[in-house]
Amino acid sequence: DAKTTQPNSMESNEEEPVHLPCNHSTISGTDYIHWYRQLPSQGPEYVIHGLTSNVNNRMASLAIAEDRKSSTLILHRATLRDAAVYYCIHYGGSQGNLIFGKGTKLSVKP
Amino acid sequence: DTEVTQTPKHLVMGMTNKKSLKCEQHMGHRAMYWYKQKAKKPPELMFVYSYEKLSINESVPSRFSPECPNSSLLNLHLHALQPEDSALYLCASSQGLHPNYEQYFGPGTRLTVT
Repeated sequence: DAKTTQPNSMESNEEEPVHLPCNHSTISGTDYIHWYRQLPSQGPEYVIHGLTSNVNNRMASLAIAEDRKSSTLILHRATLRDAAVYYCIHYGGSQGNLIFGKGTKLSVKP
Repeated sequence: DTEVTQTPKHLVMGMTNKKSLKCEQHMGHRAMYWYKQKAKKPPELMFVYSYEKLSINESVPSRFSPECPNSSLLNLHLHALQPEDSALYLCASSQGLHPNYEQYFGPGTRLTVT
């Protein structure tokens, strides 16, 4: 069972950066770190993923610790539309079995 | 286009009914997935298809029967369901099974079994 640890909930103010932490101490050398989010009443949405190096895309940045046992998803300027449950997953093998944990519920205050 | 479509959006069925959920993608992806999500819980993987062949069945009861008629379509046939099977059923697709590929999810079918 792929296992990650995330805070149950976090709060942010609109227009401010948000740092969402994730611990994945049992990650293996070939596991990728994926982040998805799920807005209310929608399917999960891919956010970003990486293996060893930090990654940036138009939605977010992913900072991966040197030992790969933790990572942080960074939303540079939170908007109300970013309020969602954010799932961090370490994903390995070649079977496609993405295992979701409980995630972090992010609230954004105007 | 990164869209995965699912029909119907909502479905109410009795325990003796037979119904099907449909999922479609036109991204050329060769892997497709079914997940089940109960209220306030994370999605749980049910089935994985790769190149139209069943790759993973996560010990799902036989009252759920998946089918992948071609690389763009994925069906989930339902019969003799129980009320506890009421949930959001999510379909996803990806280029392949390698963990470097992200999965794209559809909006889901909300199923109620009465």
